[in-house]
Amino acid sequence: ILNVEQSPQSLHVQEGDSTNFTCSFPSSNFYALHWYRWETAKSPEALFVMTLNGDEKKKGRISATLNTKEGYSYLYIKGSQPEDSATYLCAFFWGRTSYGKLTFGQGTILTVHP
Amino acid sequence: DVKVTQSSRYLVKRTGEKVFLECVQDMDHENMFWYRQDPGLGLRLIYFSYDVKMKEKGDIPEGYSVSREKKERFSLILESASTNQTSMYLCASRSSSNTEAFFGQGTRLTVV
Repeated sequence: ILNVEQSPQSLHVQEGDSTNFTCSFPSSNFYALHWYRWETAKSPEALFVMTLNGDEKKKGRISATLNTKEGYSYLYIKGSQPEDSATYLCAFFWGRTSYGKLTFGQGTILTVHP
Repeated sequence: DVKVTQSSRYLVKRTGEKVFLECVQDMDHENMFWYRQDPGLGLRLIYFSYDVKMKEKGDIPEGYSVSREKKERFSLILESASTNQTSMYLCASRSSSNTEAFFGQGTRLTVV
């Protein structure tokens, strides 16, 4: 079983704070690293799919970086808002595109207080 | 809009019952997955299928089986439900040409 670790497990911040989470994954046989956001009573949705070492992706106030050589990715949220409250999951994709699978970390539960 | 639909949002079953969780996707995806989510453990893969009638064990297959008779439908079966199978179950699908997964809304199963 592959080891994908996320930290912290949970985080409480005030509205307007910036925050970041970490995902560590195996540095060998890398194919892709995904970040998903899972809001209460909704389905998890992909935020980013990252494939290249040094990748930086951005969507509004949320951005992510990738280091495949050392096996980590950071997710940043700038100026957190209450609607950012969710569980953030990272997932390591391994195998071939045709039949590979995702291994998830434990998730980081973010609560943004107004 | 892509869609993965799970048959129930909430389910309560008795110990020993046979339980079927159904998942349907309308995206013509080849790959389908069943995960369970427990606090502090993240999503753990139970079974997956990369084609009709094909199935592969995931990381925690014990106590479960699956069926994929049609491309759009992937069923998870608990042969004899036990209380340690109380969990949130998530179905996902993806195309064989893309790594991104699309998820259903989850089924919260309680076994009493």
